[in-house]
This record gives sequence, structure tokens and C-alpha cells, in this order.
Amino acid sequence: GNSVTQMEGPVTLSEEAFLTINCTYTATGYPSLFWYVQYPGEGLQLLLKATKADDKGSNKGFEATYRKETTSFHLEKGSVQVSDSAVYFCALVKGGTYKYIFGTGTRLKVLA
Amino acid sequence: SQTIHQWPATLVQPVGSPLSLECTVEGTSNPNLYWYRQAAGRGLQLLFYSVGIGQISSEVPQNLSASRPQDRQFILSSKKLLLSDSGFYLCAWSLGREQYFGPGTRLTVT
Repeated sequence: GNSVTQMEGPVTLSEEAFLTINCTYTATGYPSLFWYVQYPGEGLQLLLKATKADDKGSNKGFEATYRKETTSFHLEKGSVQVSDSAVYFCALVKGGTYKYIFGTGTRLKVLA
Repeated sequence: SQTIHQWPATLVQPVGSPLSLECTVEGTSNPNLYWYRQAAGRGLQLLFYSVGIGQISSEVPQNLSASRPQDRQFILSSKKLLLSDSGFYLCAWSLGREQYFGPGTRLTVT
């Protein structure tokens, strides 16, 4: 079946450090891929998306590239800020279905 | 623009009491609607989804139920709460490929 695997957290970085959060997926065909962010006590917010191979989603300095050959969608940011501290979820949905598959989430803590 | 509301924001209920959580979406028609539960420090568990009025699919057999009495209204219910029902309940909607989440309801069963 379809699945999403994220790196275990928490990830602790100093401000202005480079961020990578790994995400790999298992799915047949060409799913759409997403990153969501959840701040404490809030719902999930869509951060970025990619709908086909080699697409790069980007938003607020975050980027992720849809890699079909490695079935990956790693999240990166060149310089993190304290305000980026949150839980990040990788997710996929297959075309023609209604069920989204989420990873378990990765907690990021950025220290000043 | 589209907006999704959930209420109440927080709820403390005793074991065995009933539950009703409401979710409404504004600014769109015939959305797909979803209920998720998030246990403390954990990922998302899909509970129910609906692709139209009266059409509910259950993902996890449990003492919860869902209803969709109107196109943009989704209700999560229970007749008797269990301690294990505590968690953060999230409603979401989608039309295309993106899914959008509400602010959540934190439920504590005591």
C-alpha cells in the first residue's frame, strides 16, 4: 500500500543553520506530494506541494523537489529562524482517490 | 476565499458522556471533508471522510461516528466517550489535490 516515511525527530538547529528533513514515499503511479507545518496548538498549514516528477515546490524559503527515481521529497531551507520551530509533515495523495497519507511528523526546534 | 471553522476549540468531558464536534467550510461547494485525530506528540489518524452529503467512509472502527447533514457541515459524534478518545481533532477539506485544515479541537476525557 501507499506510505510515507519521515526522519525521526526532534531536529535541533541553531538559527541560520541549513535544514533538511527527509521524506520518502511508497506509491504506485504518480502521487502528488506535500509538506505541511503545524505550530503548537494549531491545525496543519500547507507549506508547499509538487504534483509531478522533478517539480520543485517552494514557499517561505522552504523547498522540496519531487524525485521519482529515489521516491523522495526532502524538505530544505537554507537558513532557519526561531519562528520555523514547528512539526513538519510529509504527505501524499494519489490522483483519483480521496485519502491522504501522512508521515509521522518531524519536530524542528531552532535555537537563537 | 475559503475558510474552515471548528468548534469548540477546547473541550473537557467525563468518561461516558456524549460528544459533538462541528466543522463548517465557507467559500466553496461540494468539498471532500475529513476528520483526523492526533494523539499527543503523534501523527495524524484519519477517522472519517466524506465526498458528498450523506456519504461517510469510516477508516477506524471505534465508538465515534460522523455525519454530513449539509454540503459544508461535518459533525463528529460519540454516544459515550472513552479515555482513549482524548486528543486533538482536526477537520479538513479538499477540492483538488490540496487539503486544508481547520484550527482543531482539543478534547480531554477525564
